[in-house]
Amino acid sequence: DAGVIQSPRHEVTEMGQEVTLRCKPISGHDYLFWYRQTMMRGLELLIYFNNNVPIDDSGMPEDRFSAKMPNASFSTLKIQPSEPRDSAVYFCASSFNRGGYGYTFGSGTRLTVV
Amino acid sequence: GENVEQHPSTLSVQEGDSAVIKCTYSDSASNYFPWYKQELGKGPQLIIDIRSNVGEKKDQRIAVTLNKTAKHFSLHITETQPEDSAVYFCAASREGLTGGGNKLTFGTGTQLKVEL
Repeated sequence: DAGVIQSPRHEVTEMGQEVTLRCKPISGHDYLFWYRQTMMRGLELLIYFNNNVPIDDSGMPEDRFSAKMPNASFSTLKIQPSEPRDSAVYFCASSFNRGGYGYTFGSGTRLTVV
Repeated sequence: GENVEQHPSTLSVQEGDSAVIKCTYSDSASNYFPWYKQELGKGPQLIIDIRSNVGEKKDQRIAVTLNKTAKHFSLHITETQPEDSAVYFCAASREGLTGGGNKLTFGTGTQLKVEL
């Protein structure tokens, strides 16, 4: 398996623009997580899905953030409009069944909003 | 909700020495405790985990201990090597229990540097 695949690896955008981050989880995994990592706040859980259904989005910072999982093999995290404080590394992770099997993280998308 | 504290934030050791990273958790219902290693430019990678029915687990140079009473767990790396240099995260979750779902709560990370 190729693991969790995220795209793009790097994204530089201007403030106010829409940004879409993409994730392909490991086939057969039924949980998908979006995390944001910054020096100041560490790893923050933004939202997670179970069987394509959003379960907990309490970590989504503002209405500017939205996430979808239209099918078991694809998820997007969208920021509209983007702001400089959104600059961070965004990770997608997937897992099978319950957390006891551990997460597999993607390589992340480094977002820079100028 | 769960809160996980991790110490130290940075750790520097000489090659061949041991390194210990400690974490405490707040939710007594947490029963699954993984450790992740994050190398520069990569996502965190699971290196070892332990469940609450076990007090210690070893995998070659890496071991994890768990004290449920005190609600703390630790990562031990022996005979450290330069390739062990990375950021290490502890985490906790309530595996299989309602209300916690599948959600891991992470510590703030420890930057380990192994010096030659």
